[in-house]
Amino acid sequence: QQQVKQSPQSLIVQKGGISIINCAYENTAFDYFPWYQQFPGKGPALLIAIRPDVSEKKEGRFTISFNKSAKQFSLHIMDSQPGDSATYFCAASTSFNKFYFGSGTKLNVKP
Amino acid sequence: NAGVTQTPKFRILKIGQSMTLQCTQDMNHNYMYWYRQDPGMGLKLIYYSVGAGITDKGEVPNGYNVSRSTTEDFPLRLELAAPSQTSVYFCATTKGRGSGNTIYFGEGSWLTVV
Repeated sequence: QQQVKQSPQSLIVQKGGISIINCAYENTAFDYFPWYQQFPGKGPALLIAIRPDVSEKKEGRFTISFNKSAKQFSLHIMDSQPGDSATYFCAASTSFNKFYFGSGTKLNVKP
Repeated sequence: NAGVTQTPKFRILKIGQSMTLQCTQDMNHNYMYWYRQDPGMGLKLIYYSVGAGITDKGEVPNGYNVSRSTTEDFPLRLELAAPSQTSVYFCATTKGRGSGNTIYFGEGSWLTVV
């Protein structure tokens, strides 16, 4: 049973457009929701994260929207750039630091 | 500042062979993890450790073993390799217990079993 469900599996966006990736979870014990960015041949790296006590967090062009009642959260990339082309993973963890990852979204930003 | 270092980067293994993936960290983190990444499947937790001498199974532990004799090192042992173990393996660390800790990944080890 997948703890965190992520969609879409792949996404093509034109340069300057908005990229949106969605995740859903069931376990209400999760209290930390990070997003990771992975470039080919590299390990994932933290992009942005949110806790369930806030509904939105913004860092530059990247925004997480969090809906606690629906148990959903999403990543929005504004003004998408070709350099944003990567695989994105959502994740969820508990205070015991067991992380569960979504299946990943491969983003391709066309110039 | 190396962070999390994994070796080897690439390895081809024959069915039935055994090998150890090495992982070392210089961040003085207590928690260490091994994940495998398969296409379209995300990252699955194999084993994790909350400190030296303590290890526990994750989601997909079958066919693997780990040990944690020091804070820095967390090797992953593959016994009797099978084609299903062809994957990319990531070692990772976090500081310790408490919500909101960032998980730091190594650069990965690509393993092919033929």
